[in-house]
Amino acid sequence: LAKTTQPISMDSYEGQEVNITCSHNNIATNDYITWYQQFPSQGPRFIIQGYKTKVTNEVASLFIPADRKSSTLSLPRVSLSDTAVYYCLVGAPGTASKLTFGTGTRLQVTL
Amino acid sequence: DSGVTQTPKHLITATGQRVTLRCSPRSGDLSVYWYQQSLDQGLQFLIQYYNGEERAKGNILERFSAQQFPDLHSELNLSSLELGDSALYFCASSGLGGNTGELFFGEGSRLTVL
Repeated sequence: LAKTTQPISMDSYEGQEVNITCSHNNIATNDYITWYQQFPSQGPRFIIQGYKTKVTNEVASLFIPADRKSSTLSLPRVSLSDTAVYYCLVGAPGTASKLTFGTGTRLQVTL
Repeated sequence: DSGVTQTPKHLITATGQRVTLRCSPRSGDLSVYWYQQSLDQGLQFLIQYYNGEERAKGNILERFSAQQFPDLHSELNLSSLELGDSALYFCASSGLGGNTGELFFGEGSRLTVL
């Protein structure tokens, strides 16, 4: 399974765009990239998933370069409520049980 | 609201005791996953059930066991509890699409062992 590396923490001001990059150098051909958000004492929440190029939904965008060895979660105009831990996961269909959440990136948004 | 329901939300017990945590998956989801999250630790996968059958097992202790019932709800049994078992226990469910990693988590059950 592909190992992921992401920054331990990031700080941002409210209203800014935040980009969190995840490295997954040994991603396999059939692996997908999934991002989750977790608030303290709550279960993780699915944010976005992609395979290649760019995926956008109502809360975030996911940019995946052609070599797929990294991905960037982009949060537009963050607010205080976006303060959370963000996890990057890589895995293939049928391997959800093997996905490792790791320690994620702790995003702190301030005024 | 993810649609996954976990009970109880909080549980305080003593060492050596046994507890049961319950999870009701999203309507229609066949897979249930159990995770443990200790203080400042990442989410550790414990076990997965699919339509009543054990599908995958992670770092689950022998003192722990789980099952999924015909109505698809699941229970995680923790026995001979130790102080180190204090943690948040999350249940997640997924449908057919969940195999690519889209899991829906409950709010968790916080277990405190004194």
